[in-house]
Amino acid sequence: GQSLEQPSEVTAVEGAIVQINCTYQTSGFYGLSWYQQHDGGAPTFLSYNALDGLEETGRFSSFLSRSDSYGYLLLQELQMKDSASYFCALPRGKLIFGQGTELSVKP
Amino acid sequence: DTGVSQDPRHKITKRGQNVTFRCDPISEHNRLYWYRQTLGQGPEFLTYFQNEAQLEKSRLLSDRFSAERPKGSFSTLEIQRTEQGDSAMYLCASSFSLGEGDNSPLHFGNGTRLTVT
Repeated sequence: GQSLEQPSEVTAVEGAIVQINCTYQTSGFYGLSWYQQHDGGAPTFLSYNALDGLEETGRFSSFLSRSDSYGYLLLQELQMKDSASYFCALPRGKLIFGQGTELSVKP
Repeated sequence: DTGVSQDPRHKITKRGQNVTFRCDPISEHNRLYWYRQTLGQGPEFLTYFQNEAQLEKSRLLSDRFSAERPKGSFSTLEIQRTEQGDSAMYLCASSFSLGEGDNSPLHFGNGTRLTVT
């Protein structure tokens, strides 16, 4: 089967940098995805890593180490609107989601 | 592209009743997914279709749950004899995907919130 682990919550201040970690177990790895979900909203796609290394998309970057079965999402220059839940997910035909990390950005 | 739409947005029902939800995916997408989400948890996979074929159904899903996508366009999710434990947000998503490891992002609808009293 597949499983993912991520911290349940993280708190940071506006303007700071925060890293949300994700470790996974799977047979047959195709990549690691990240989704954002605001309270009451739908999950939206942020990024995807199939190969080791860092992928940068504006203020958000995602990192993958396949040998360590580990990835992280890095959010820079935090803004209040970044307060949301962040999910790592494994594509296996469907997407298998982690339990999510609730990020609270304080002024 | 009008996005994924789900109907109704909210449904309150009494235990033991049947409910049906509808999902209209993005028109050019070949895959349609149903997920369930409870407070503080990640979306839990229920089932997914490629065109009209149901490719996988979660082993956690009881026989009270059934989904259809008759013409490869919209889909319905029916829950029979609802229980209080069925109370959750039911999310539909669609994508254009080519295979198991395809990384095409899922586009989610805003969900149907089910409350079973």
